[in-house]
Amino acid sequence: NAGVTQTPKFRVLKTGQSMTLLCAQDMNHEYMYWYRQDPGMGLRLIHYSVGEGTTAKGEVPDGYNVSRLKKQNFLLGLESAAPSQTSVYFCASGGGAKTQYFGPGTRLLVL
Amino acid sequence: GESVGLHLPTLSVQEGDNSIINCAYSNSASDYFIWYKQESGKGPQFIIDIRSNMDKRQGQRVTVLLNKTVKHLSLQIAATQPGDSAVYFCAENTAGRRALTFGSGTRLQVQP
Repeated sequence: NAGVTQTPKFRVLKTGQSMTLLCAQDMNHEYMYWYRQDPGMGLRLIHYSVGEGTTAKGEVPDGYNVSRLKKQNFLLGLESAAPSQTSVYFCASGGGAKTQYFGPGTRLLVL
Repeated sequence: GESVGLHLPTLSVQEGDNSIINCAYSNSASDYFIWYKQESGKGPQFIIDIRSNMDKRQGQRVTVLLNKTVKHLSLQIAATQPGDSAVYFCAENTAGRRALTFGSGTRLQVQP
């Protein structure tokens, strides 16, 4: 039982490049979330999903897109990366909107 | 607007002492609260949660206290150990909302 896994662990992008972050969970959770965490700061919700095929905007959705084609996977896309998107990205999943279980994070550096 | 915040950004304690981390919230409709521990370079890890119909809940070396009158939440760690050094986040949820609202975090430093 791996819980929540994230791919990749670390990535460096140039401004304007695109990439996709993958989150996978093996707990059969309906809810999945993407957060970003800037140095010394808390977690800010980017997008979330309450089930396969559904997505919704969070607090800071601009510049990101998401897809939930399979229940176990939640993808976060950056179409045109900007230095302001340098951050650590965390995925989380939960059976509902309360207890969430987090992945180990993806560190993204945009030059 | 809604907010969940923490009183102290950094808390330094001696090993073996008890630690108390505080959290204030503003939404009187909040009905669920949760504490996470985040070690350096890792994702947040669930510690303990409490529903609004309770005042206190205990886990292994940790206790969460909820005072709904003053909208205050605290996490108490007994006999603090070096492994407890981390950033601690509180978060809350309200019935019908589909996501948690996180506070900004408190760093706990345990001195040997």
